[in-house]
Amino acid sequence: ETGVTQTPRHLVMGMTNKKSLKCEQHLGHNAMYWYKQSAKKPLELMFVYNFKEQTENNSVPSRFSPECPNSSHLFLHLHTLQPEDSALYLCASSQVRDADTQYFGPGTRLTVL
Amino acid sequence: GQNIDQPTEMTATEGAIVQINCTYQTSGFNGLFWYQQHAGEAPTFLSYNVLDGLEEKGRFSSFLSRSKGYSYLLLKELQMKDSASYLCAVRDQWAAGNKLTFGGGTRVLVKP
Repeated sequence: ETGVTQTPRHLVMGMTNKKSLKCEQHLGHNAMYWYKQSAKKPLELMFVYNFKEQTENNSVPSRFSPECPNSSHLFLHLHTLQPEDSALYLCASSQVRDADTQYFGPGTRLTVL
Repeated sequence: GQNIDQPTEMTATEGAIVQINCTYQTSGFNGLFWYQQHAGEAPTFLSYNVLDGLEEKGRFSSFLSRSKGYSYLLLKELQMKDSASYLCAVRDQWAAGNKLTFGGGTRVLVKP
């Protein structure tokens, strides 16, 4: 149990659908992250939120829209995705301290048809 | 920017030792992390090095040489449950917050 939960664990959606991924951390952290993990590719950082403010957008297409209403919750809103967006989407959290450890959630396996 | 290299796959025998190397090139360095990821599960933290030398944690040890841009993760007394991917990640000195750049991961297969 890492203290970071993600829902849903699996999601299948069509290219015209709109869906949202949810992440919640119970560790008292103040930084949250979205990563994308595709087959045979390194884990890619997508977004960083520190104290609910977005501090990093790693050139992510606008069809991915993050939202961080408070330090414990992070959402990733999805719309008009492409099949190549199929991947494992991982959420992580940490303290905003020098090189503090990030704790990962179990991920959402997304398939775009 | 960052560039991180590690072998794609390694195979070892139960009870043996395996060393996973990681080389990196970075514009600014502020720490190197190793994570373990079992198939279909979340990455879990193993170790952190920011100064040169060896950090030992039970069966796992991690080494860092900043001048060489090199780290390794040493797994001793291998067990079947150690079959997993091992991810090397580097923190950028100049990044806001806690930005990590990951290598592609090394898949370790432990055989009986």
